[in-house]
Amino acid sequence: KNEVEQSPQNLTAQEGEFITINCSYSVGISALHWLQQHPGGGIVSLFMLSSGKKKHGRLIATINIQEKHSSLHITASHPRDSAVYICAVRRPQGGSEKLVFGKGTKLTVNP
Amino acid sequence: DAGVIQSPRHEVTEMGQEVTLRCKPISGHDYLFWYRQTMMRGLELLIYFNNNVPIDDSGMPEDRFSAKMPNASFSTLKIQPSEPRDSAVYFCASSVRRYNEQFFGPGTRLTVL
Repeated sequence: KNEVEQSPQNLTAQEGEFITINCSYSVGISALHWLQQHPGGGIVSLFMLSSGKKKHGRLIATINIQEKHSSLHITASHPRDSAVYICAVRRPQGGSEKLVFGKGTKLTVNP
Repeated sequence: DAGVIQSPRHEVTEMGQEVTLRCKPISGHDYLFWYRQTMMRGLELLIYFNNNVPIDDSGMPEDRFSAKMPNASFSTLKIQPSEPRDSAVYFCASSVRRYNEQFFGPGTRLTVL
């Protein structure tokens, strides 16, 4: 079983819809990251969070440490939000930390 | 700043050849990361440097892979000899602090025939 599981793997939405992407993990972590990978391949760091909620524009990320779960929400989705969204967790390893990635959720927003 | 720069953007080579991927991090960033992305395994951290010193290379798949950072503005990832299973997109990223906001380069798409 992967340490980081994302759901759904693929998501298709109509413009304007509210989107939720989920990330569950099975290990203790120090922080969780959300990344966005554009269709052209470029990767952008969206959020880093260790508790609570963060908001940036139409994007909202939440984390529940007790439940080992994070969600990424997109309000009023737009075709330009079409991308792969990747969750990554930082877990302690031998005095340091290791970054472990989920397989990503491919989002397609249709006009 | 131009962001993280990687070269080449695409590389096609034959099995057994040596491949060198290059990365220039953002000036002032003390951390540099090398990642590999494949359809099967997704994104994987290969190695990261802090102030030009390799800190964690536990993700480097085998001895055929090596990475260096001779100065703060340049790093290389070398594969020798290359194998078809090394075909992937290799990303370089840099950050001010270890795992805080990372800035990714455009990636190098490597195809080993």
